[in-house]
Amino acid sequence: AQTVTQSQPEMSVQEAETVTLSCTYDTSENNYYLFWYKQPPSRQMILVIRQEAYKQQNATENRFSVNFQKAAKSFSLKISDSQLGDTAMYFCAFMDPMNRDDKIIFGKGTRLHILP
Amino acid sequence: NAGVTQTPKFQVLKTGQSMTLQCAQDMNHEYMSWYRQDPGMGLRLIHYSVGAGITDQGEVPNGYNVSRSTTEDFPLRLLSAAPSQTSVYFCASSYSRMLGEKLFFGSGTQLSVL
Repeated sequence: AQTVTQSQPEMSVQEAETVTLSCTYDTSENNYYLFWYKQPPSRQMILVIRQEAYKQQNATENRFSVNFQKAAKSFSLKISDSQLGDTAMYFCAFMDPMNRDDKIIFGKGTRLHILP
Repeated sequence: NAGVTQTPKFQVLKTGQSMTLQCAQDMNHEYMSWYRQDPGMGLRLIHYSVGAGITDQGEVPNGYNVSRSTTEDFPLRLLSAAPSQTSVYFCASSYSRMLGEKLFFGSGTQLSVL
């Protein structure tokens, strides 16, 4: 079965620092999609970044970037110049589009605190 | 666009009661799903649907029923509520799983079963 592991339950960093959230996954497939979702205290789930496995280039969205290591099955999220509004729960997610019996799988999340 | 509309936002039930969580999307999405979120457990898939008339079980389907009679609506029914079903529930949809499209989430339902 495909799995997603986030090994850091909670992290804290000072405002303006850079922080990296780790995510590893397990699959035997070659084509798939990976996501990072943010859940602020409002509870709304927001897509942060999306990566297509067949693209070698790491995805970036403003201050957010990923380090996608396909061979190592690693998909870490880097937040640069962190802001107070980045305080949230972050979920890594995996999607195998070709397997009808497999679902969009989420990790257990990392709670990130940005300290003033 | 309204996106994914999920109701109610909060609900308290007594053990044994039944209820339906409503979910509607206006984006003509094929894929719809229900997740529950529990502390330390992430989001776990309850049921999902790849189109009208088609539903399938997720990771934790016991105690829940779904139906998909239209593209827009995907209600989740709790048949006989139990305290173990106390959780935050999210409905989510996407245009196409095959294309790896992102999920659009509803605002969640905080359910407490006493």
